[in-house]
Amino acid sequence: ETGVTQSPTHLIKTRGQQVTLRCSSQSGHNTVSWYQQALGQGPQFIFQYYREEENGRGNFPPRFSGLQFPNYSSELNVNALELDDSALYLCASSLSAARGYNEQFFGPGTRLTVL
Amino acid sequence: RKEVEQDPGPFNVPEGATVAFNCTYSNSASQSFFWYRQDCRKEPKLLMSVYSSGNEDGRFTAQLNRASQYISLLIRDSKLSDSATYLCVVNEGGADGLTFGKGTHLIIQP
Repeated sequence: ETGVTQSPTHLIKTRGQQVTLRCSSQSGHNTVSWYQQALGQGPQFIFQYYREEENGRGNFPPRFSGLQFPNYSSELNVNALELDDSALYLCASSLSAARGYNEQFFGPGTRLTVL
Repeated sequence: RKEVEQDPGPFNVPEGATVAFNCTYSNSASQSFFWYRQDCRKEPKLLMSVYSSGNEDGRFTAQLNRASQYISLLIRDSKLSDSATYLCVVNEGGADGLTFGKGTHLIIQP
């Protein structure tokens, strides 16, 4: 196990609703990244948080927003849900480095279904 | 647009055989390269990093060709437990996150 936890594990919402997904990062990690994985696709980068600030974003609309807390845990919020938002949402934690790359450890994901 | 392309398969391979996957990436400035493994309805897990000099981890060998923007993974003496989806992954650098291919589905048959 990676030590990264996500809640809830499954969620069903209807179009137009709002949802909040939660992630607790691995101990000692200060960076959290969120990904969306639709069925049959690879994960797509939504955004990354470091020291409570968004410091990188993929090609997702503003209705996808997030927070990072002082303990480095994070939330992903999605407003005005659409059917295409149905996917597995993955959180990954890492230790940010000024240079190079540090491995991202993924949580088990939250499976969101929008009806 | 940054893209990672890989053959989705499925690859149906008999146990004990050797199987090879390839992928290509579009951004020549990409900095780091990886293969991740994802089991059905589970999260991706890092299988191995990929270097230009090539690297080997037991039955797995990965290779990077920067000139051709091409990454490969070779699995020797395949086991039933190797059945999974293998994701080719590129790190563009900075805070851009990881760029994943769609994955190649491998089925090892007894």
